[in-house]
Amino acid sequence: KQEVTQIPAALSVPEGENLVLNCSFTDSAIYNLQWFRQDPGKGLTSLLLIQSSQREQTSGRLNASLDKSSGRSTLYIAASQPGDSATYLCAVIIQGAQKLVFGQGTRLTINP
Amino acid sequence: EAGVVQSPRYKIIEKKQPVAFWCNPISGHNTLYWYLQNLGQGPELLIRYENEEAVDDSQLPKDRFSAERLKGVDSTLKIQPAELGDSAVYLCASSFLGNSGELFFGEGSRLTVL
Repeated sequence: KQEVTQIPAALSVPEGENLVLNCSFTDSAIYNLQWFRQDPGKGLTSLLLIQSSQREQTSGRLNASLDKSSGRSTLYIAASQPGDSATYLCAVIIQGAQKLVFGQGTRLTINP
Repeated sequence: EAGVVQSPRYKIIEKKQPVAFWCNPISGHNTLYWYLQNLGQGPELLIRYENEEAVDDSQLPKDRFSAERLKGVDSTLKIQPAELGDSAVYLCASSFLGNSGELFFGEGSRLTVL
């Protein structure tokens, strides 16, 4: 059974810092990995999707990497801003099954 | 392009009452998902449809939960009767199988059972 773990559960940093969020998964047979952002009381917004054949994806100040062999992904946020405060969730799509398995998320707070 | 639309956004009911949630996926998306999200947790899959067929409902508590997607477009998730433990956010998502499997989510329906 695929399990996804995100560490830390919560993170608080001052504005302007670069930071890394971690995601690990137990089964490397994944189709792709997706990072989401969730604001309080809102749905999930897709940030980045990495295919299993890719190593990384970039969008603006966000960079996500994928290492299938070690079962790890990181989300790098450059020059953090208070507007980046949210919960960040990673999820993997299992090969052969079109469904996402989620981690529990990292609650990020950027302090002005 | 309109995103995934869900209604109602909020619902408060007493236990043992029925409740229904509606979802309209992104136009052209043939795969539709219902997820359950408890406070502080990641979403968990309840049911997945490919067109009108439920292809994965192994996590759906079938004694009280039901879902349908009659014409392969919008979908309804029903709970009858609701229990206190059903209080959660019910998220709908859709994807197009040919689009790398990327999922797009609605705003969710927050259920409170008193």
